[in-house]
Amino acid sequence: GNSVTQMEGPVTLSEEAFLTINCTYTATGYPSLFWYVQYPGEGLQLLLKATKADDKGSNKGFEATYRKETTSFHLEKGSVQVSDSAVYFCALSRLPHSGNTGKLIFGQGTTLQVKP
Amino acid sequence: DTAVSQTPKYLVTQMGNDKSIKCEQNLGHDTMYWYKQDSKKFLKIMFSYNNKELIINETVPNRFSPKSPDKAHLNLHINSLELGDSAVYFCASSQALGYNEQFFGPGTRLTVL
Repeated sequence: GNSVTQMEGPVTLSEEAFLTINCTYTATGYPSLFWYVQYPGEGLQLLLKATKADDKGSNKGFEATYRKETTSFHLEKGSVQVSDSAVYFCALSRLPHSGNTGKLIFGQGTTLQVKP
Repeated sequence: DTAVSQTPKYLVTQMGNDKSIKCEQNLGHDTMYWYKQDSKKFLKIMFSYNNKELIINETVPNRFSPKSPDKAHLNLHINSLELGDSAVYFCASSQALGYNEQFFGPGTRLTVL
């Protein structure tokens, strides 16, 4: 079946450090890939997405590249800020057809703590 | 303007009670969802409705019954609440089924005592 695996957290970094959060997936066909962010006490917000192999999603200094050969979609940021402290979720979705429902399948989430 | 809103934000109740959570979206989307987030932050889809039609029911107990009176609303009714139902419930919507971006509500934290 389809699944998403993220690196265990929490990840604790100092401000301006480089961030990588690993995400790998298992899926048949060609899923779309997403990173969602959940700030404390809030719902999830879409951070970035990629819909086909070699696409790079980017937003707010974060980037992730859809790597079909390694089935990965790692999240990176060159210089994190305290305000980036949140839970980050990698997710995949397949377009609905032939029984697919198009639902989002999430990884387990990775908590990022950035210290001043 | 709030795109996806949920009420209540917090819900504390006794085991065995029946409760409802309401969700409304003002984005004109066709598809709405309910997700459950457990204490370890793990998110799992429960239901999905497309144009008021049930699309996904992820082996959720019968005690949970979604109702979609119109495209803009998807409510969740829970009967005979159990301790294990304690979680944060998120409503979400997307333009169409399987469409790339889902917009999430702020969540409802349910605590069953």
